[in-house]
Amino acid sequence: DVKVTQSSRYLVKRTGEKVFLECVQDMDHENMFWYRQDPGLGLRLIYFSYDVKMKEKGDIPEGYSVSREKKERFSLILESASTNQTSMYLCASRPIGEGWEQYFGPGTRLTVT
Amino acid sequence: AQTVTQSQPEMSVQEAETVTLSCTYDTSESDYYLFWYKQPPSRQMILVIRQEAYKQQNATENRFSVNFQKAAKSFSLKISDSQLGDAAMYFCACVYSGGGADGLTFGKGTHLIIQP
Repeated sequence: DVKVTQSSRYLVKRTGEKVFLECVQDMDHENMFWYRQDPGLGLRLIYFSYDVKMKEKGDIPEGYSVSREKKERFSLILESASTNQTSMYLCASRPIGEGWEQYFGPGTRLTVT
Repeated sequence: AQTVTQSQPEMSVQEAETVTLSCTYDTSESDYYLFWYKQPPSRQMILVIRQEAYKQQNATENRFSVNFQKAAKSFSLKISDSQLGDAAMYFCACVYSGGGADGLTFGKGTHLIIQP
C-alpha cells in the first residue's frame, strides 16, 4: 500500500514563527503536492513538485515556500506564520503515468495564534 | 485551468437507500481525468472512483457509479445501498492529463449524512 505520512497531526504556532510541515512518501513517486483545506472552500493547491529540487506554484502560493531535497520528502514552509494560515494542510503524491490518482497523507491541522 | 462545482453542501440519505451527489466542471482541455474522493471524519482522503474523459463508459466500483455526461460537463456520483460507513465529505476533482504534474482542482465538497 502507498503510504504518505505527515510529521504532525496537530500543530499550534505563534504569529511570526517559521513553520515547517513535512511529508514523506514511501512509493518512489515522482510528483508531490501540498494542498490547503478550508471549510466551504474545498482543497486548494499551494505548490507541487515533479522532481527533486523542482517546484511549481499552485493556485495560492503566497506566504508559502517548499523544499524537495530528496525524492521521498516534500516540505512546506511558512516563513512567517499568520493567523490566516490557520488551516488543514494535506500532502499528496502521485507516480507518473498511472491513472493520475493522488495519494493523500492524513493532514496537519495548523493553528496560528 | 479547470473549475469544479458541487452545488450540494450537504445531503442526507436513509441507510440502504440510493443517493446521487452532483458535480459539474469546466475545462477547455480534451485530456483530463475526473475523480470522486471520500474524506471520512478525521480520516485520510481516499479515492472512490475515477473516470477518464476519453472513455464513454461510466465507471463503476461496487456500490459506487458515476453518470459522466461529457457534453454537459457533468460528473455525478451514485451511491447504492448506502451504509453508515459512507458518511463522509465527498469531493469531486479534475486534472488535466495532457501536461506534466498538474495538481487536482477540487470542488467545495458535499457532506453526506447517513440516517440509520
